[in-house]
Amino acid sequence: AQSVSQHNHHVILSEAASLELGCNYSYGGTVNLFWYVQYPGQHLQLLLKYFSGDPLVKGIKGFEAEFIKSKFSFNLRKPSVQWSDTAEYFCAVTRSSNTGKLIFGQGTTLQVKP
Amino acid sequence: DGGITQSPKYLFRKEGQNVTLSCEQNLNHDAMYWYRQDPGQGLRLIYYSQIVNDFQKGDIAEGYSVSREKKESFPLTVTSAQKNPTAFYLCASSVSTDTQYFGPGTRLTVL
Repeated sequence: AQSVSQHNHHVILSEAASLELGCNYSYGGTVNLFWYVQYPGQHLQLLLKYFSGDPLVKGIKGFEAEFIKSKFSFNLRKPSVQWSDTAEYFCAVTRSSNTGKLIFGQGTTLQVKP
Repeated sequence: DGGITQSPKYLFRKEGQNVTLSCEQNLNHDAMYWYRQDPGQGLRLIYYSQIVNDFQKGDIAEGYSVSREKKESFPLTVTSAQKNPTAFYLCASSVSTDTQYFGPGTRLTVL
């Protein structure tokens, strides 16, 4: 069965530190990849997505992610985090040809200390 | 003001009761989804519907039921057969298989 793994469950950083959250998926076919963020008390919202083309994608609020097909990875990065980035981050994958069923990772809670 | 609305925000249920969670969207999206979120487990798909009057089971459909009589509405019923219903329930919609947009969620607690 297709699965998504986020290796960091809880990350604590100081402001201005760099961030990288890992995401690996198990499906070998063509996939669409997403990172969603859930700020405290807010809707789950899209950070960025990859469907095709340039494997380095840029999203909102200075986030970016790189799709490395050979490693089945889609890691999220940000050069300098802010306190307002404190949130839960979810990686999700769907097969390009299917019904849009998203498979989510377990989530990573990011806590940024001011 | 377009978007996805879910009601109620909080719901309390006694054991043995069925409850229905509402999800409405005015985005004119064809596809709608229900997910369950539990701490440390991410989101898991309960049911999804790609078109009116049609829906399919997701990964954890047991103890749940849905209907899709209107394009804009996709209510979820949590039945008494669901053994561990306490969770955060999220509804989403999308244009075909594109990006899914999520509602604010309903937190269900069984007393």
